[in-house]
Amino acid sequence: HSVLAQPPSASGVPGQRVTISCSGNNSNIGSNTVDWYQQFPGTAPKVLIYGNHQRPSGVPDRFSASKSGTSASLAISGLQSEDEADYYCAAWDDSLDGPVFGGGTKLTVL
Amino acid sequence: QVQLQESGPGLVKPAETLSLNCTVSGGSIRSSSYFWGWIRQSPQKGLEWIGSIHFSGTTYYNPSLKSRVTVSVDTDENFFSLNLGSLTAADTAVYYCARPRRYGTSWIDSWGQGIMVTVSS
Repeated sequence: HSVLAQPPSASGVPGQRVTISCSGNNSNIGSNTVDWYQQFPGTAPKVLIYGNHQRPSGVPDRFSASKSGTSASLAISGLQSEDEADYYCAAWDDSLDGPVFGGGTKLTVL
Repeated sequence: QVQLQESGPGLVKPAETLSLNCTVSGGSIRSSSYFWGWIRQSPQKGLEWIGSIHFSGTTYYNPSLKSRVTVSVDTDENFFSLNLGSLTAADTAVYYCARPRRYGTSWIDSWGQGIMVTVSS
């Protein structure tokens, strides 16, 4: 099982706002920043959010994220069909001395 | 924009050693700002960090794999490598080379396309 806990699935209709949660502990999310990745089938993950809430250039502002304590969340507003993908949270883990990942959430746009 | 490309066998036998290379183009592996790493992904374990290296030779490994893993770097040829020994079916996965922004972060801004490795006799 993955170190960070995510719901395995989420869904929404176009235009809706969807949130994906990510839960960790004090050695990872509680003491380090959280990053979010988007992955389409057959491709490598791509960073969507870094440093808890920063968007790389080119990522629409429909994507936002926040962190509180040992949990984080990703929000997608104005859901579009092209947002259908797998989403992963990640954080550095001080106990592991390396990055850890969530199990991924498969987002379906109905 | 730096590009990473994995190369190596797609099929390896149990108990053997997997050797993968990651060629870096569009940038120097000698950049002091970055580490270079390996991550794998399987349906059973999800995304799993394997290990990382700085061009200076500093390495750090996932403790669960440390006894079987070596990551090395060739600064002259601008590539880095992964050796993973004592393979079992549980090592079957897509292996990605990646560039973490720095030590102490899970922010990875460049990924290779991935290479599927199957461990089977």
